[in-house]
Amino acid sequence: SYDLTQTLSVSVAPGQTARLTCDGPNIEKKVVHWYQQKPGQAPALVMHGIRSRPSGIPERFSGSNSGNSATLTISGAQGEDEAVYYCQVWDSGAALFGGGTTVTVL
Amino acid sequence: QVRLQQSGPGLVQPSQTLALTCVISGDSVSSSSGAWTWVRLSPSRGLEWLGMTYYRSKWYHDYGPSVEGRIIITPDTSKNQFSLHLNSVTPVDSAVYFCARVEDTVFDYWGQGTLVTVSS
Repeated sequence: SYDLTQTLSVSVAPGQTARLTCDGPNIEKKVVHWYQQKPGQAPALVMHGIRSRPSGIPERFSGSNSGNSATLTISGAQGEDEAVYYCQVWDSGAALFGGGTTVTVL
Repeated sequence: QVRLQQSGPGLVQPSQTLALTCVISGDSVSSSSGAWTWVRLSPSRGLEWLGMTYYRSKWYHDYGPSVEGRIIITPDTSKNQFSLHLNSVTPVDSAVYFCARVEDTVFDYWGQGTLVTVSS
């Protein structure tokens, strides 16, 4: 089965850049989506593929995908970006989520 | 604007059936482009896709390998909703359960989540 691996946690100072990775074999062949989840809330889409941000998502969120690693970049992190971030792909008709990365802004 | 409203019990006895319902507003369960899914979140397993139902001239159902054989997702066109039934539950099935819409491979709308505890 296809597995997605994410770093457990990332800390970033306010205004600095956080890079969250999602690793999987030849993941560049897949469309990777990213979700943000805050405590007590449902996950929310922050990046659709590598180029598309839903309405209301700040431009500081961007995506890339190459080789065996997809990346969500938060440029100029804000306190409101503290959350767990999940990557997601489809494989053989099933949705797969990474284990999630906890982002701390301090 | 699509809205998903979940309902169902928060406590289920071991070996019994977990049953949750998701009422859709702003879209149709018979949509020819969307799919209606269930996802759960637990500390031990993270986010886990359970399965989905969708209509493409006929109804289809796909289920995740971790629950296949124990799960049924059924649409109800008269009430514009869909339901999850997961049988033979154990404490491992304790989690927050979410319904969600998938459109163009993206989980774009989610229900509010239901904390389900499996315990006697």
